[in-house]
Amino acid sequence: DAGVIQSPRHEVTEMGQEVTLRCKPISGHNSLFWYRQTMMRGLELLIYFNNNVPIDDSGMPEDRFSAKMPNASFSTLKIQPSEPRDSAVYFCASSSHNQPQHFGDGTRLSIL
Amino acid sequence: GDSVTQMEGPVTLSEEAFLTINCTYTATGYPSLFWYVQYPGEGLQLLLKATKADDKGSNKGFEATYRKETTSFHLEKGSVQVSDSAVYFCALKADSWGKFQFGAGTQVVVTP
Repeated sequence: DAGVIQSPRHEVTEMGQEVTLRCKPISGHNSLFWYRQTMMRGLELLIYFNNNVPIDDSGMPEDRFSAKMPNASFSTLKIQPSEPRDSAVYFCASSSHNQPQHFGDGTRLSIL
Repeated sequence: GDSVTQMEGPVTLSEEAFLTINCTYTATGYPSLFWYVQYPGEGLQLLLKATKADDKGSNKGFEATYRKETTSFHLEKGSVQVSDSAVYFCALKADSWGKFQFGAGTQVVVTP
């Protein structure tokens, strides 16, 4: 079975540009989570969805960050405009009720 | 709110040594508990889990027992290998939507 699929795996862009990260959860999973991981702050939960509806976005750092889940098989995390301090590894994870989260391999984002 | 505290790293040990990583939690009720492992350049992978008091989770030689009386879920392995070098995260299931509360992670370095 395919796991959580994230794209791109690596992204390098200049500050001020719009960045879109993509995630395809495991088929049948109804919860989706976006995390950010840095050396300084560790693993941070940004936002999560259940049945495509955002449940808690209190971890989203600023209005420059937005996330959508238009259907059960796709989600995006957008940063506009991007800043160097947004450089991090962004993970998507999915789960079905009462089951552990399954993580993707992450997107390594570098903002120059 | 719910929280997870795990011992700081890095933990450095020689091959075939005994490994313990301490994890304690604060939560309302009796949440499910998990250990995840993250190898360099990869996402988090579920290592083991326990869903109720006195349950023992085990996988790949690793074990952890859910101790309600001490609110702990310490990870142990009797004889580590170089390939066990990774970051280990303790986590609890924090709500009915599947949100997890992760610890800060403990880096383990095993030398030949």
